[in-house]
Amino acid sequence: EPEVTQTPSHQVTQMGQEVILRCVPISNHLYFYWYRQILGQKVEFLVSFYNNEISEKSEIFDDQFSVERPDGSNFTLKIRSTKLEDSAMYFCASLENTIVDEQFFGPGTRLTVL
Amino acid sequence: GIQVEQSPPDLILQEGANSTLRCNFSDSVNNLQWFHQNPWGQLINLFYIPSGTKQNGRLSATTVATERYSLLYISSSQTTDSGVYFCAVVRGGANSKLTFGKGITLSVRP
Repeated sequence: EPEVTQTPSHQVTQMGQEVILRCVPISNHLYFYWYRQILGQKVEFLVSFYNNEISEKSEIFDDQFSVERPDGSNFTLKIRSTKLEDSAMYFCASLENTIVDEQFFGPGTRLTVL
Repeated sequence: GIQVEQSPPDLILQEGANSTLRCNFSDSVNNLQWFHQNPWGQLINLFYIPSGTKQNGRLSATTVATERYSLLYISSSQTTDSGVYFCAVVRGGANSKLTFGKGITLSVRP
């Protein structure tokens, strides 16, 4: 069964460094999302992406964050200058179309900022 | 924005017991999904259920959209059912964001 994949599974970085989290959505899906989950808390929406542009973003998604679909398969989240409070699990999700709008999630990348 | 409330926040069961997990939401929704977060942190899709009833093995779910709630039933629970169960809803266009509840932590003891 097709699935969303994410790399790396765990990333440790120093405060102020840039990180890029990678996702490969399900191949025929058209809509892509990033969510994050701070340890012990609920999952929060960051950004949605369709047709090579941002559809919607939350107040968390400030100028430090950016997303890109550099080719036909990858979807990336970049954090330019990481802060301690960026430590969280980051989930990528994808959705096939708007008729059956079920989102499928990747396994997550656990980001630890020291 | 829309509010999603899940209850109870924590649940402890003996293996073999049945349980009902509840999700209330504050406004009409276009989509509702239930997820299981396993001990490794992965979010596993359980149900896509904007309305009606679905069953998958020992799990079933019912959403009554007009009354703004959904229920997840777990029968004959197993230790592998342990983890956090999240309800998430979409309000707005079909490709809009999911808004999650805080989750229900289930512990099934052998």
